[in-house]
Amino acid sequence: EAQVTQNPRYLITVTGKKLTVTCSQNMNHEYMSWYRQDPGLGLRQIYYSMNVEVTDKGDVPEGYKVSRKEKRNFPLILESPSPNQTSLYFCASTIGTSGSYTGELFFGEGSRLTVL
Amino acid sequence: GDSVTQMEGPVTLSEEAFLTINCTYTATGYPSLFWYVQYPGEGLQLLLKATKADDKGSNKGFEATYRKETTSFHLEKGSVQVSDSAVYFCALETSGSRLTFGEGTQLTVNP
Repeated sequence: EAQVTQNPRYLITVTGKKLTVTCSQNMNHEYMSWYRQDPGLGLRQIYYSMNVEVTDKGDVPEGYKVSRKEKRNFPLILESPSPNQTSLYFCASTIGTSGSYTGELFFGEGSRLTVL
Repeated sequence: GDSVTQMEGPVTLSEEAFLTINCTYTATGYPSLFWYVQYPGEGLQLLLKATKADDKGSNKGFEATYRKETTSFHLEKGSVQVSDSAVYFCALETSGSRLTFGEGTQLTVNP
C-alpha cells in the first residue's frame, strides 16, 4: 500500500530534550516536505527536499533541522524543543521527477507533539 | 507574497444542503490551485485541482472553477452528506515548488 508513515504519532516531551520525528514513504517520491498545523494558521511549511541531499527552508524553519540521506526518509529534528513548537506535524511527499514538482501531495497521518 | 484566504468557519449544514466554501488568492503568475480535505484524525488528501484559468476541478461531487478575473477558487457541492464532515483547505502552488495553504474551514454536516 502506498503510504507516508510518521513516527511517533503522539509525543509529550519537555523543553530542551532533543527529539526526532521520522518520516518514510514507499512511493519512490523525490520531493518530501514537513508542515506544522496550528489552529487559525492552517499549514505552514517547515522544510522541504527536492531530492537526496537537497533540502531548503520553508516558511517557519527556526528551531528545526532536517536531513535527506536516503530517498525514502526525511526525519525532522528538534534539537532543543520549546513550548511554541507544540503542534501537529505532517510529512508529505510527491513525485517531482527530474526536478519537476506537482502540488499533489501525499500526507502522513500526523504527529502530535506537546512540549512542556 | 503569495497567499490564500478562505471563508471563516466553522460551517454547519444539514444533510442534502448546498455547500459553498469561498477561497481567494493573491499570487504572481499563474499558479495551480488545489482543494485538500482532512477527515478527523487523518492527514490531508487531495480533493481536486485546477492548473489554469477557467479549468474546473471535480471529484466526489465537489467542484471548483479557477477564476482568474476574481482570483477565486470556490468549492461547491450540490448536496452534502454527513460523511463530508471534515476540514477543507484551499492551496496554491507558489514559486519554488511549494504549496501555500489557507487557514482551513471546518464543515459539519448534521443528519
